[in-house]
Parts: sequence; structure tokens; C-alpha cells
Amino acid sequence: EPEVTQTPSHQVTQMGQEVILRCVPISNHLYFYWYRQILGQKVEFLVSFYNNEISEKSEIFDDQFSVERPDGSNFTLKIRSTKLEDSAMYFCASSPGGGQVVQQYFGPGTRLTVT
Amino acid sequence: AQSVTQLDSQVPVFEEAPVELRCNYSSSVSVYLFWYVQYPNQGLQLLLKYLSGSTLVKGINGFEAEFNKSQTSFHLRKPSVHISDTAEYFCAVSRASRGGADGLTFGKGTHLIIQP
Repeated sequence: EPEVTQTPSHQVTQMGQEVILRCVPISNHLYFYWYRQILGQKVEFLVSFYNNEISEKSEIFDDQFSVERPDGSNFTLKIRSTKLEDSAMYFCASSPGGGQVVQQYFGPGTRLTVT
Repeated sequence: AQSVTQLDSQVPVFEEAPVELRCNYSSSVSVYLFWYVQYPNQGLQLLLKYLSGSTLVKGINGFEAEFNKSQTSFHLRKPSVHISDTAEYFCAVSRASRGGADGLTFGKGTHLIIQP
């Protein structure tokens, strides 16, 4: 069964550094998402992406964050100038278009640790 | 805006006993409802979803949930749990008007602990 993959599984970075989290959505899916889960807290929506542009974003997704689909397979989340509070598990998800758009398929996550 | 409340942060249950995980939501518009399961060190897996139609929906691994519009609830049930059901369970909603392309709003999760 096709899966969403994410790399790396764990990223450690120093405060103030830029990080790029990578995701490969399921082939032929059209909608892409990023979520984060701070340890012990709920999963929070960051951004959705469709047709090469942001579809919706939450209050969390400020100018520090950006997303990109640099080629036909990857979907990236860039965090500029990381802060301690950016430490979290980041999940990528994708969903197909049309009538199946409602189901989102999640990747295993990237654990980001900012020191 | 939508919100999801999972009142129970932790639910201990004996193996083979029934279980109900509670979920209540708040929204000014129609929503789709979901239950996801997260096993240790893994991503989120969809258990079941309610989009429309029959209020009782069946999912994978023997789980089912009932949508109650008047009580704005979507409780998850299983008649007989197994050790392998030990996991974190998340209830989530998205706006129906957006065709599901919306981001999901999650509850805080319920940790289901199965005791032998």
C-alpha cells in the first residue's frame, strides 16, 4: 500500500538555524499538509497546499515557516531561525482529489529537537 | 472555528472488555468527523470517518463510532479490546464546506491502556 514518507526521522538543530523537513506524499495525491505535535500535546494543523499554493494556514504558520513543492514528488517545510519552542514532531499528510479528498494519509513524522 | 474535546486523557481497560472513548466537538458549520490511532513511534492511521448518511460508522480493527448531532458527539467504541489496541486515539474534525481539503482540528487524544 502506498505510504507517505518523511525524512529525516530525527533532526537536531541549534537555535537560530534553518531546517528543512522533507516529505514524499503518495503519488497522484493532490493535497498536502503539515502538522506538528509538541510533546504531550495535541496534533496541530500548520498548513495545507494545493495546486502549488497554500490553501489554508493556521495562526502557528507565521513568516518563520514556508512550504514548497520543489519537484513532482517532494513537499518540504522550511523553518527559518528555529526557536526552542519549535521542538516537536512534524507530520506530513496527503490526500487525493475528487470525492476522496477528505481522507488524509499521514507520514511517520520527523522529530525536530532545537537545542 | 472548530474545537474538539476528548475528556479522558487516559482510559485503562481490561483485555476483552468493551471500551468507549468520548469525543465532543464544537462548530458553527457542518463538519466531517474522524478517529485516528497513533501507535508508539508511528504516524497517525485513520480508524474511521463520518461524512454523511448513517450515523453509525464502522472502521478498522473492530472499532465503530456513532455521530450524534444533537449532542455534538462522536464516541468511539469497541466491544472487546485486545492488548494490541494499546495506543493513543485522536478525534478530529474538518469543515464539510471545504470538501475536506481543510486542515484537521484534533482533540488532545486519549491513551487507551489495555490491562491483561
